[in-house]
Amino acid sequence: AQTVTQSQPEMSVQEAETVTLSCTYDTSESDYYLFWYKQPPSRQMILVIRQEAYKQQNATENRFSVNFQKAAKSFSLKISDSQLGDAAMYFCAYTTGTASKLTFGTGTRLQVTL
Amino acid sequence: GAVVSQHPSRVICKSGTSVKIECRSLDFQATTMFWYRQFPKKSLMLMATSNEGSKATYEQGVEKDKFLINHASLTLSTLTVTSAHPEDSSFYICSAKSSREGYEQFFGPGTRLTVL
Repeated sequence: AQTVTQSQPEMSVQEAETVTLSCTYDTSESDYYLFWYKQPPSRQMILVIRQEAYKQQNATENRFSVNFQKAAKSFSLKISDSQLGDAAMYFCAYTTGTASKLTFGTGTRLQVTL
Repeated sequence: GAVVSQHPSRVICKSGTSVKIECRSLDFQATTMFWYRQFPKKSLMLMATSNEGSKATYEQGVEKDKFLINHASLTLSTLTVTSAHPEDSSFYICSAKSSREGYEQFFGPGTRLTVL
């Protein structure tokens, strides 16, 4: 069975600094997709960034970037120039394709301090 | 684009009653919708996958007779919690997959159910 592991229940970062959230996954599939979702206090799930496993290049979305290490099955999220609005729960998620369900990690709560 | 709505956003009901939650894709057709349950400070737990026009597929441990799912059209799925009890109190989230985009799910804002 596919599993997603987030080993950091909580992280803290100072405003304007950089923070990296860790995620590892276990799969025997070769074609899959990875995501980072943000869940702020409103509890609306917001897609932060996605990565297709067949792409070697790491995905980047403005201040958010990933370090995708396929052989190590690692998918970390780097947030640069952290802002107060980045404070939220962050979930790493995995799916195998067009018809499959998402498997979520347990989440990392990110605090942003002044 | 890719907006998913849920109604109601909050509901309080008495023990023993049934509650229906609607999930709608507003600007796209969703062949597949998913229902999740989330406990406080926990991750999302998939309850079931529903495909338009067919029976839902429930995850292990989820009672299909208690959590009735109907996906009658390409834009609407409903979750009915039957004979609700206090332990059913939770945050319920739906998501939808576009029939055009292969793998991304779009999430609704969630429904907080409180059973007294």
